[in-house]
Amino acid sequence: GQNIDQPTEMTATEGAIVQINCTYQTSGFNGLFWYQQHAGEAPTFLSYNVLDGLEEKGRFSSFLSRSKGYSYLLLKELQMKDSASYLCAVRDNDYKLSFGAGTTVTVRA
Amino acid sequence: IAGITQAPTSQILAAGRRMTLRCTQDMRHNAMYWYRQDLGLGLRLIHYSNTAGTTGKGEVPDGYSVSRANTDDFPLTLASAVPSQTSVYFCASSDSAGGSDTQYFGPGTRLTVL
Repeated sequence: GQNIDQPTEMTATEGAIVQINCTYQTSGFNGLFWYQQHAGEAPTFLSYNVLDGLEEKGRFSSFLSRSKGYSYLLLKELQMKDSASYLCAVRDNDYKLSFGAGTTVTVRA
Repeated sequence: IAGITQAPTSQILAAGRRMTLRCTQDMRHNAMYWYRQDLGLGLRLIHYSNTAGTTGKGEVPDGYSVSRANTDDFPLTLASAVPSQTSVYFCASSDSAGGSDTQYFGPGTRLTVL
């Protein structure tokens, strides 16, 4: 089975940086994904990590440490439109995704 | 290109009724998935299909059935709805089940069972 933990809520100021942590304990590992989900909308893909290290994509970066069962999503230069839920998901050896409950980020002016 | 469409957008259903949620993708993706999303629990996999003609059970399959007669369509059926099936249902697809292929999600169906 999979156990994926991430904080429930985070609040930050426009222009700031926020780091969303995700820890996991899984029976198999075949990649870690981050998705963004605005209220009332579908999740959309943000990033994918399968090897240890940092993946940077514009204002968003994602880090993975497989030995520690740990990942984080870093959001830089926060904008109001970044207010959303951020979902951490782990893919197992059967290529199925298990999702964390999500972290709701609120960006204040 | 529409991507993934789901129907209906929302539905209120009496307990005991049969209901089919429709999902269609036009990306020719091989793999398709059904999830339910409940507050505080995140997305949970109900059923999946790695390719047309095959299906598999996810984390919470009880009370649901699926079929995959062709590449594009992946309907989810509730044979006899119960209130605990009140949820938001998302269909997703990916080009394949492995590699860096990401899952693309439909807009969701909000289902209320009374």
